[in-house]
Amino acid sequence: AQSVSQHNHHVILSEAASLELGCNYSYGGTVNLFWYVQYPGQHLQLLLKYFSGDPLVKGIKGFEAEFIKSKFSFNLRKPSVQWSDTAEYFCAVNAGRGSTLGRLYFGRGTQLTVWP
Amino acid sequence: DAGVTQSPTHLIKTRGQHVTLRCSPISGHKSVSWYQQVLGQGPQFIFQYYEKEERGRGNFPDRFSARQFPNYSSELNVNALLLGDSALYLCASSFGGQGGQETQYFGPGTRLLVL
Repeated sequence: AQSVSQHNHHVILSEAASLELGCNYSYGGTVNLFWYVQYPGQHLQLLLKYFSGDPLVKGIKGFEAEFIKSKFSFNLRKPSVQWSDTAEYFCAVNAGRGSTLGRLYFGRGTQLTVWP
Repeated sequence: DAGVTQSPTHLIKTRGQHVTLRCSPISGHKSVSWYQQVLGQGPQFIFQYYEKEERGRGNFPDRFSARQFPNYSSELNVNALLLGDSALYLCASSFGGQGGQETQYFGPGTRLLVL
């Protein structure tokens, strides 16, 4: 079965600091990769996704992620965080064939707290 | 445009009871997926339905069942509730039929507390 690891469970940063959240997955075949964000009191929203092509993908609110196939990684980055980026971030992978296709495997999430 | 809607928003049940959760997908979406999110963890896949057919099932006991209706809305049913079923239940919709290359859009969830 596929698994997704997010090694940072809680990250605390000051405004304007740079952010990188790690995500690793275990699956040797073709994958589709996602980052979702959950702001306080809101539902899960898509930040960005990778299906194919340029491994550096840009999402909303200045976020980007890089797919490194050889490292089974899809790390999320932002050059300068804002207080409004305080939220929980989830990495998700869609992989497999047949009945497993379409299901998302999520990491346990990283809580980001940004101090003004 | 309306997003994915779920009802009820909160629910309190006692052990052994049965619960039905409801989900309406985004207009035009034909696939609905259900996830369980316990505190401190990421969502875990329960079911996916496409065109009223079960497309996939996660590692959940038979107490969990679901169905999709002709209007693509969906119900998740859980029988014989256990304390460990307390969680946020998320519904996600997608166009469907695109294999893995489709984006799932999540609803606000139903928070279930089992006492």
